[in-house]
Amino acid sequence: KQEVTQIPAALSVPEGENLVLNCSFTDSAIYNLQWFRQDPGKGLTSLLLIQSSQREQTSGRLNASLDKSSGRSTLYIAASQPGDSATYLCAVWSRDDKIIFGKGTRLHILP
Amino acid sequence: DAGVTQSPTHLIKTRGQHVTLRCSPISGHKSVSWYQQVLGQGPQFIFQYYEKEERGRGNFPDRFSARQFPNYSSELNVNALLLGDSALYLCASSLSGPWQPQHFGDGTRLSIL
Repeated sequence: KQEVTQIPAALSVPEGENLVLNCSFTDSAIYNLQWFRQDPGKGLTSLLLIQSSQREQTSGRLNASLDKSSGRSTLYIAASQPGDSATYLCAVWSRDDKIIFGKGTRLHILP
Repeated sequence: DAGVTQSPTHLIKTRGQHVTLRCSPISGHKSVSWYQQVLGQGPQFIFQYYEKEERGRGNFPDRFSARQFPNYSSELNVNALLLGDSALYLCASSLSGPWQPQHFGDGTRLSIL
Protein backbone atom coordinates (compact mmCIF):
# COMPACT_ATOMS: atom_id res chain seq x y z
CA LYS A 1 0.00 0.00 0.00
CA GLN A 2 1.43 3.34 -1.09
CA GLU A 3 2.14 5.81 1.72
CA VAL A 4 3.36 9.37 1.27
CA THR A 5 5.11 11.26 4.06
CA GLN A 6 6.09 14.92 4.16
CA ILE A 7 8.66 16.30 6.55
CA PRO A 8 8.63 18.73 8.24
CA ALA A 9 4.94 19.27 9.02
CA ALA A 10 5.57 22.98 9.49
CA LEU A 11 8.43 25.34 8.72
CA SER A 12 9.13 29.02 9.38
CA VAL A 13 12.03 30.75 7.64
CA PRO A 14 13.08 34.40 7.18
CA GLU A 15 12.40 36.04 3.85
CA GLY A 16 15.16 35.60 1.29
CA GLU A 17 16.35 32.19 2.47
CA ASN A 18 16.48 29.12 0.27
CA LEU A 19 14.59 26.11 1.59
CA VAL A 20 13.90 22.46 0.88
CA LEU A 21 10.69 20.51 1.45
CA ASN A 22 10.80 16.74 1.56
CA CYS A 23 8.44 14.05 0.33
CA SER A 24 8.93 10.29 0.60
CA PHE A 25 6.86 7.40 -0.77
CA THR A 26 6.93 3.68 -0.12
CA ASP A 27 6.14 2.15 -3.53
CA SER A 28 8.29 3.14 -6.50
CA ALA A 29 5.69 1.93 -9.05
CA ILE A 30 4.39 5.38 -9.88
CA TYR A 31 3.27 7.23 -13.00
CA ASN A 32 4.40 10.59 -11.70
CA LEU A 33 4.79 12.87 -8.69
CA GLN A 34 3.18 16.28 -8.49
CA TRP A 35 3.80 19.19 -6.10
CA PHE A 36 0.96 21.56 -5.19
CA ARG A 37 0.44 24.58 -3.02
CA GLN A 38 -2.76 25.26 -1.13
CA ASP A 39 -3.78 28.58 0.35
CA PRO A 40 -6.21 28.55 3.32
CA GLY A 41 -9.76 27.61 2.29
CA LYS A 42 -8.77 27.21 -1.35
CA GLY A 43 -8.18 24.43 -3.82
CA LEU A 44 -4.78 23.19 -4.93
CA THR A 45 -2.53 24.95 -7.40
CA SER A 46 -0.21 22.72 -9.40
CA LEU A 47 3.45 23.74 -9.15
CA LEU A 48 5.47 21.00 -10.83
CA LEU A 49 4.87 17.52 -12.20
CA ILE A 50 7.70 15.02 -12.60
CA GLN A 51 7.10 11.96 -14.76
CA SER A 52 8.47 8.67 -13.45
CA SER A 53 11.19 8.71 -16.13
CA GLN A 54 12.38 12.22 -15.20
CA ARG A 55 14.78 13.33 -12.47
CA GLU A 56 13.79 16.97 -12.02
CA GLN A 57 11.61 19.86 -13.16
CA THR A 58 12.12 23.59 -12.78
CA SER A 59 9.76 26.55 -12.86
CA GLY A 60 11.06 29.96 -11.89
CA ARG A 61 12.34 29.84 -8.29
CA LEU A 62 11.09 26.26 -7.84
CA ASN A 63 12.98 23.07 -8.54
CA ALA A 64 11.62 19.59 -7.83
CA SER A 65 13.69 16.43 -7.95
CA LEU A 66 12.65 12.78 -8.01
CA ASP A 67 14.66 9.74 -6.95
CA LYS A 68 12.30 6.86 -7.61
CA SER A 69 14.68 4.16 -6.41
CA SER A 70 14.93 5.70 -2.94
CA GLY A 71 11.31 6.87 -2.88
CA ARG A 72 12.15 10.54 -2.38
CA SER A 73 11.33 13.90 -3.85
CA THR A 74 12.41 17.37 -2.81
CA LEU A 75 10.97 20.78 -3.61
CA TYR A 76 13.58 23.53 -3.53
CA ILE A 77 12.39 27.13 -3.20
CA ALA A 78 14.99 29.80 -3.89
CA ALA A 79 14.96 33.30 -2.39
CA SER A 80 11.75 32.80 -0.44
CA GLN A 81 9.13 35.56 -0.32
CA PRO A 82 6.17 36.19 2.04
CA GLY A 83 3.84 35.26 -0.83
CA ASP A 84 5.29 31.74 -0.73
CA SER A 85 3.54 31.16 2.60
CA ALA A 86 1.10 28.29 2.06
CA THR A 87 0.74 24.55 2.58
CA TYR A 88 2.78 22.50 0.12
CA LEU A 89 1.52 19.04 -0.80
CA CYS A 90 3.10 16.27 -2.79
CA ALA A 91 1.09 13.52 -4.47
CA VAL A 92 2.03 10.35 -6.31
CA TRP A 93 -0.04 8.60 -8.97
CA SER A 94 0.43 4.90 -8.41
CA ARG A 95 0.17 2.37 -11.22
CA ASP A 96 -3.05 1.00 -9.68
CA ASP A 97 -4.70 4.28 -10.81
CA LYS A 98 -4.83 5.85 -7.36
CA ILE A 99 -3.37 9.16 -6.29
CA ILE A 100 -1.99 9.42 -2.76
CA PHE A 101 -1.29 12.75 -1.08
CA GLY A 102 0.99 13.55 1.80
CA LYS A 103 -0.37 15.61 4.70
CA GLY A 104 1.56 18.65 3.58
CA THR A 105 4.15 21.06 4.93
CA ARG A 106 2.83 24.40 6.28
CA LEU A 107 5.34 27.02 5.23
CA HIS A 108 5.52 30.47 6.80
CA ILE A 109 7.93 33.03 5.39
CA LEU A 110 8.78 35.72 7.95
CA PRO A 111 8.99 39.27 6.50
CA ASP B 1 -10.26 30.04 -20.27
CA ALA B 2 -12.35 29.09 -17.25
CA GLY B 3 -10.72 26.82 -14.71
CA VAL B 4 -12.38 23.91 -12.92
CA THR B 5 -15.67 25.09 -11.45
CA GLN B 6 -17.48 23.45 -8.56
CA SER B 7 -20.94 24.05 -7.17
CA PRO B 8 -22.16 24.82 -4.65
CA THR B 9 -19.30 26.49 -2.77
CA HIS B 10 -20.82 25.81 0.62
CA LEU B 11 -23.48 23.38 1.78
CA ILE B 12 -25.03 22.49 5.13
CA LYS B 13 -26.85 19.19 5.56
CA THR B 14 -28.06 17.05 8.43
CA ARG B 15 -27.22 13.44 9.20
CA GLY B 16 -28.99 10.90 6.99
CA GLN B 17 -29.58 13.30 4.11
CA HIS B 18 -28.26 12.96 0.59
CA VAL B 19 -26.03 15.45 -1.26
CA THR B 20 -24.99 16.01 -4.89
CA LEU B 21 -21.86 18.00 -5.73
CA ARG B 22 -21.08 19.18 -9.25
CA CYS B 23 -17.90 19.79 -11.19
CA SER B 24 -17.20 21.26 -14.62
CA PRO B 25 -13.72 20.50 -15.96
CA ILE B 26 -11.49 22.78 -17.96
CA SER B 27 -12.59 22.85 -21.58
CA GLY B 28 -10.92 19.98 -23.46
CA HIS B 29 -10.19 17.95 -20.34
CA LYS B 30 -11.68 14.47 -20.40
CA SER B 31 -10.73 13.21 -16.95
CA VAL B 32 -12.27 14.23 -13.64
CA SER B 33 -11.20 13.14 -10.15
CA TRP B 34 -12.84 13.69 -6.77
CA TYR B 35 -11.14 14.13 -3.40
CA GLN B 36 -12.16 14.58 0.21
CA GLN B 37 -10.02 16.85 2.37
CA VAL B 38 -10.53 16.92 6.11
CA LEU B 39 -9.08 19.91 7.96
CA GLY B 40 -5.35 19.55 8.52
CA GLN B 41 -4.98 16.54 6.22
CA GLY B 42 -4.02 16.03 2.61
CA PRO B 43 -6.79 15.27 0.09
CA GLN B 44 -7.98 11.65 -0.06
CA PHE B 45 -8.76 10.19 -3.47
CA ILE B 46 -12.38 9.12 -3.99
CA PHE B 47 -12.89 8.50 -7.74
CA GLN B 48 -11.36 9.10 -11.13
CA TYR B 49 -13.42 9.14 -14.32
CA TYR B 50 -12.03 9.20 -17.85
CA GLU B 51 -14.18 9.17 -20.97
CA LYS B 52 -17.24 8.59 -18.78
CA GLU B 53 -15.86 5.40 -17.25
CA GLU B 54 -14.61 4.86 -13.73
CA ARG B 55 -10.82 4.45 -13.85
CA GLY B 56 -9.96 4.41 -10.17
CA ARG B 57 -11.64 4.25 -6.78
CA GLY B 58 -10.30 5.05 -3.33
CA ASN B 59 -11.21 3.44 -0.02
CA PHE B 60 -14.62 5.00 0.47
CA PRO B 61 -17.90 3.24 1.33
CA ASP B 62 -20.63 2.55 -1.22
CA ARG B 63 -22.51 5.60 0.07
CA PHE B 64 -20.19 7.53 -2.24
CA SER B 65 -20.90 7.35 -5.96
CA ALA B 66 -20.12 9.45 -9.00
CA ARG B 67 -20.69 9.70 -12.69
CA GLN B 68 -19.35 11.61 -15.67
CA PHE B 69 -21.62 13.04 -18.34
CA PRO B 70 -21.11 13.23 -22.14
CA ASN B 71 -19.88 16.83 -21.77
CA TYR B 72 -17.27 15.53 -19.25
CA SER B 73 -18.82 17.30 -16.27
CA SER B 74 -19.26 15.16 -13.19
CA GLU B 75 -21.40 14.67 -10.10
CA LEU B 76 -20.42 13.23 -6.74
CA ASN B 77 -23.28 11.79 -4.71
CA VAL B 78 -23.15 10.92 -1.03
CA ASN B 79 -26.04 9.09 0.65
CA ALA B 80 -26.91 8.69 4.32
CA LEU B 81 -24.63 11.52 5.40
CA LEU B 82 -22.58 11.09 8.57
CA LEU B 83 -20.94 13.75 10.75
CA GLY B 84 -17.58 12.45 9.51
CA ASP B 85 -18.46 13.40 5.94
CA SER B 86 -17.91 17.06 6.84
CA ALA B 87 -15.00 18.13 4.67
CA LEU B 88 -13.84 20.12 1.67
CA TYR B 89 -14.67 18.15 -1.49
CA LEU B 90 -12.29 18.90 -4.34
CA CYS B 91 -12.63 18.16 -8.00
CA ALA B 92 -9.71 18.08 -10.42
CA SER B 93 -9.55 17.70 -14.17
CA SER B 94 -6.80 16.61 -16.53
CA LEU B 95 -6.47 16.18 -20.28
CA SER B 96 -6.55 12.42 -20.06
CA GLY B 97 -5.20 9.92 -17.56
CA PRO B 98 -3.11 10.04 -14.38
CA TRP B 99 0.08 10.96 -16.24
CA GLN B 100 -1.34 14.43 -16.93
CA PRO B 101 -1.20 17.38 -14.48
CA GLN B 102 -4.23 17.71 -12.24
CA HIS B 103 -5.98 21.11 -12.14
CA PHE B 104 -8.14 21.70 -9.08
CA GLY B 105 -11.27 23.70 -8.39
CA ASP B 106 -11.75 25.62 -5.14
CA GLY B 107 -13.95 22.90 -3.70
CA THR B 108 -17.30 22.54 -1.98
CA ARG B 109 -17.29 22.95 1.79
CA LEU B 110 -19.79 20.43 3.18
CA SER B 111 -20.89 20.71 6.81
CA ILE B 112 -23.01 18.02 8.43
CA LEU B 113 -25.03 18.99 11.51
